Amino acid sequence: QSALTQPASLSGSPGQSITISCTGTTNDVGGYNCVSWYQQHPGKAPKLMIYDVTKRPTGLSNRFSGSKSGNTASLTISGLQPEDEADYYCSSYTTNSPVVFGGGTKLTVL
Amino acid sequence: QVQLVESGGGLVRPGGSLRLSCAASKFTFSDYYMSWIRQAPGKGLEWVSYISGSSTYTKYADSVKGRFTISRDNFRSSLYLRMNSLRAEDTAVYYCARARSGSFFGSFYFDYWGQGALVTVSS
Repeated sequence: QSALTQPASLSGSPGQSITISCTGTTNDVGGYNCVSWYQQHPGKAPKLMIYDVTKRPTGLSNRFSGSKSGNTASLTISGLQPEDEADYYCSSYTTNSPVVFGGGTKLTVL
Repeated sequence: QVQLVESGGGLVRPGGSLRLSCAASKFTFSDYYMSWIRQAPGKGLEWVSYISGSSTYTKYADSVKGRFTISRDNFRSSLYLRMNSLRAEDTAVYYCARARSGSFFGSFYFDYWGQGALVTVSS
């Protein structure tokens, strides 16, 4: 069982906006601004999308944005595109471990 | 562009050992923490271990502590993971990743990943 809780699956239509949640506790998500998000296409390595809750790596589309409220972090994808169909994982620092991942969310673009 | 290439994966019997390697290029290897992260078939990501640039600091997940050893050779720009006493639950794709310090001391995120090496533990 993952320390961070994500919805197992989400779906959206092209052009829509979707938000993936990542819920933890005050010992991880809520206590530190150290949430990152990764995108993983089937058979490929994960790719960093967001770090330190809201920061985007250089060159990444601004369609991807991160936020946090209390113990829940969120990744929002606006203007959904077919290539956004992938698995998404959140990660956070915790008081017990430098890194813990969420269980992952499978995003389907209908 | 940063490159990370893992090697050394394969089939090993329970209780056996294996050493993974990760060859890094296109960045100053010794300047960065490095990490191993694994993914069991059809499952999510699990952080395994990290090592500081000078090898001074290492840390392990509880699930591998005492069985796995991370090391690096900065001259060869290579990262290693020695895995002993392997169990069926260690079966996974093992990714080498470059670690960056997050906003809180001791936190990390991973900005570059290798393509992964599959380790299968089975009799």
